Parts: sequence; C-alpha cells; structure tokens
Amino acid sequence: SQQGEEDPQALSIQEGENATMNCSYKTSINNLQWYRQNSGRGLVHLILIRSNEREKHSGRLRVTLDTSKKSSSLLITASRAADTASYFCATLTQGGSEKLVFGKGTKLTVNP
Amino acid sequence: SAVISQKPSRDICQRGTSLTIQCQVDSQVTMMFWYRQQPGQSLTLIATANQGSEATYESGFVIDKFPISRPNLTFSTLTVSNMSPEDSSIYLCSVTYRGLNQPQHFGDGTRLSIL
Repeated sequence: SQQGEEDPQALSIQEGENATMNCSYKTSINNLQWYRQNSGRGLVHLILIRSNEREKHSGRLRVTLDTSKKSSSLLITASRAADTASYFCATLTQGGSEKLVFGKGTKLTVNP
Repeated sequence: SAVISQKPSRDICQRGTSLTIQCQVDSQVTMMFWYRQQPGQSLTLIATANQGSEATYESGFVIDKFPISRPNLTFSTLTVSNMSPEDSSIYLCSVTYRGLNQPQHFGDGTRLSIL
C-alpha cells in the first residue's frame, strides 16, 4: 500500500500566490523526499528531509516534517506558471526492505 | 547530478510482443531502479537492478514478465514481456549515488502504449 498520501489531489492558484501541499504517512521513516514531475517528464528531486529534521528551505521551497503527526508539508512561495507540475512525496521507511514509497501526488496548476 | 538517458522515449506495441527499455547513466552509480507509473497514478517500484546478479523484485512483479539486466555500474535494461493493454504505462529508470538516504535521479521515462 502507498506509504505517503498527499492532499489536496489538485490545487489551482494564481501566479504570485503561495501553494501548500501536505503529505501523510503511516510508519516510521528515515527520510522524506519531495519530487516534481512536469508533464511527460521524469521526476526531479526537490528536497530531502531526514527524520531528525523539522524544517528545510531551498529557494522558494519550504518543507516541514512533523514525525509525531507523521506528516510533511511543501510550501512554494510566490508561485510562477513554471511551477505547474505534479508534486510527490516519497518516504524511506525504517527497517525492513529499503525502498522509496511514493504518494499519489498533488497536481498544481499556477495560472498566469 | 546524474544525466540519465532512457530509450525509447515512447513506443506503441502490439499485444503479445516484448519491448526492451534501456537506461544509460553518465557516471557510475550504486543503485538503479525501475518504476512503473500508470496513467494519472503515482510511481510503483518494479525492482532494484543489481549489478552482475538477478534483480530484486517487488511484490506483484516477476522476472518472467519484467526481466532486468544490469551488466555494469552505468547501464540497465528492463524488458516488458508478452505485453497486454494493462501494461500501458510510463516506465522510469532512477539511480542513486550513495544509497537510499540520498536523492534519486530519474530519466524522462518511456511512455508505452499497447494496442
């Protein structure tokens, strides 16, 4: 079963607005990663946050992690039309077989 | 970051045929993976390609249907065998340099349609 579940499934905003996407997961993790997928392309890594970290920034991106609630959020500030893409969280679980498990993704549309 | 070349980028195949997808990386990597992404869905791991030995398959995927080779540290192939319309998906290769605690880098995928 999918480890990560993003919400919302789809988000439509205007250029310049902020976009927030959430990810919930079920078991203990080593790290959580966010990826972007433009239409017809592969995934691009955005940010990796480890289980002992609470917040990370990269440019206009801010990721938070709350391990007590088993949730993470991705904030994109001052969005641009070029941010239009699907965003996936992926978790690396602790113990057991090591693999990344991807959530269902949030489809973000930024309108010019 | 890695430059990953995946070929073909897309193909339309007849039911019952097989197709081999190639993944070439511009530098040596520790781990290579194959994923399937069904239309409008998330990614599902098919298998981890192991250099010089049999791939490690996830539940629901078998070697007879998805044979994988990895002859060296920069190249892998995935074959989709005896295809049916249910195999219509995007197949993605990804790599990591230093294990799963590091980001994965993805190819652009192979968009496969089965008639």
